[in-house]
Amino acid sequence: EIVLTQSPGTLSLSPGERATLSCRASQSVSNNYLAWYQQKPGQAPRLLIYGASSRAAGIPDRFSGSGSGTDFTLTISRLEPEDSAVYYCQQYGGSPLYTFGQGTKVEIK
Amino acid sequence: VQLVESGGGLAQPGGSLRLSCAASGFSFNIYPMTWVRQAPGKGPEYVSGIGTAGSTSYGDSVKGRFTISRDTSTNTLYLQMNSLRAEDTAVYYCAKIFASGSPYFDYWGQGALVTVSS
Repeated sequence: EIVLTQSPGTLSLSPGERATLSCRASQSVSNNYLAWYQQKPGQAPRLLIYGASSRAAGIPDRFSGSGSGTDFTLTISRLEPEDSAVYYCQQYGGSPLYTFGQGTKVEIK
Repeated sequence: VQLVESGGGLAQPGGSLRLSCAASGFSFNIYPMTWVRQAPGKGPEYVSGIGTAGSTSYGDSVKGRFTISRDTSTNTLYLQMNSLRAEDTAVYYCAKIFASGSPYFDYWGQGALVTVSS
């Protein structure tokens, strides 16, 4: 099983600041099958980034993804109040087919 | 795209429930579909998936107890859950796969709460 470890657990930043979220895999993620999701309270997760660096439809360009192999990063370049949420990374491959990280909570001061 | 789950509720340990997911707004028969659950305060967990040709996969914690199926005539996804345990308590989401070969969850339902308790 590929385990995804996200850091930090919580990020507290002000509007306009840059947020950098990390996702580290216990083994190399094949074909960069790595995605990022945003989840707000009481809502389902929302796909932000897929293939490690491609933005999903309708996602603002302040969200960007990078990385390969075992180390991946989600960057929010200029935080907006509505970016307050929990962010999860997800990978595909191995058994089980899909695994998620434990999440990073982004708080806007 | 709309995914609407139903069938959640309270079940006793050892009991059964069947979840349904009504899909609309896309060609249901050409996309893999999945169930993903989320226990209170935890991250999402993959439960099961079904391909366009009917191939299935399961997470280790539900193998042998849960069965996924799909009905392309009614655009409905199902999850039959047997031998339920307290640790199966979670919100269960129906989620569409982006495309075959792009294993990401691009649309999610609103979720169905399953509580397993005596």
